[in-house]
Amino acid sequence: EAQVTQNPRYLITVTGKKLTVTCSQNMNHEYMSWYRQDPGLGLRQIYYSMNVEVTDKGDVPEGYKVSRKEKRNFPLILESPSPNQTSLYFCASSLGLNSPLHFGNGTRLTVT
Amino acid sequence: GDSVTQMEGPVTLSEEAFLTINCTYTATGYPSLFWYVQYPGEGLQLLLKATKADDKGSNKGFEATYRKETTSFHLEKGSVQVSDSAVYFCALTATYGQNFVFGPGTRLSVLP
Repeated sequence: EAQVTQNPRYLITVTGKKLTVTCSQNMNHEYMSWYRQDPGLGLRQIYYSMNVEVTDKGDVPEGYKVSRKEKRNFPLILESPSPNQTSLYFCASSLGLNSPLHFGNGTRLTVT
Repeated sequence: GDSVTQMEGPVTLSEEAFLTINCTYTATGYPSLFWYVQYPGEGLQLLLKATKADDKGSNKGFEATYRKETTSFHLEKGSVQVSDSAVYFCALTATYGQNFVFGPGTRLSVLP
């Protein structure tokens, strides 16, 4: 089944403790992206990648890192999480130009 | 830059009522346009898309027409059901590269 898989679904952590949210797609998509969703703010893009080893900042990249060493994986790294990064995070992938995005089921992160 | 504006709602309708959710966009060039739906506790799913002016996207009784002259892509359904209760996002592929731009989302509640 074609899908985007994120893990974990839920994560509670403390300020400053490094964490990684994994994202994997099995559709051979070139484009991958991370979004955060907050009440009243809609979806905001954190980082995106158009291909292996190519990543670019989205609208809200501060406090996040990504890497794209393989086509299928696009992990989101929070080196030193802070409470303002408490949010619902979505990974998404796409075949390419003008093709629709496929979303994962989300990761709800709480930073205390 | 490219942007999407949509009515934020919430929109509350009775079952079998007619639905319109307005979406307008600003873009240079010729973006593709999308509607995504997010059911409670899930990721976003593609509902329909249109890739050029005057195209009509349709799915599950929902329709939207790409209107270049009014830069709009309004979502319509003739008779909504309780199961249509969700958040609806209008989106476009930005002119530069393959990036996506999302509207803020419109929450729809359908009452029996």
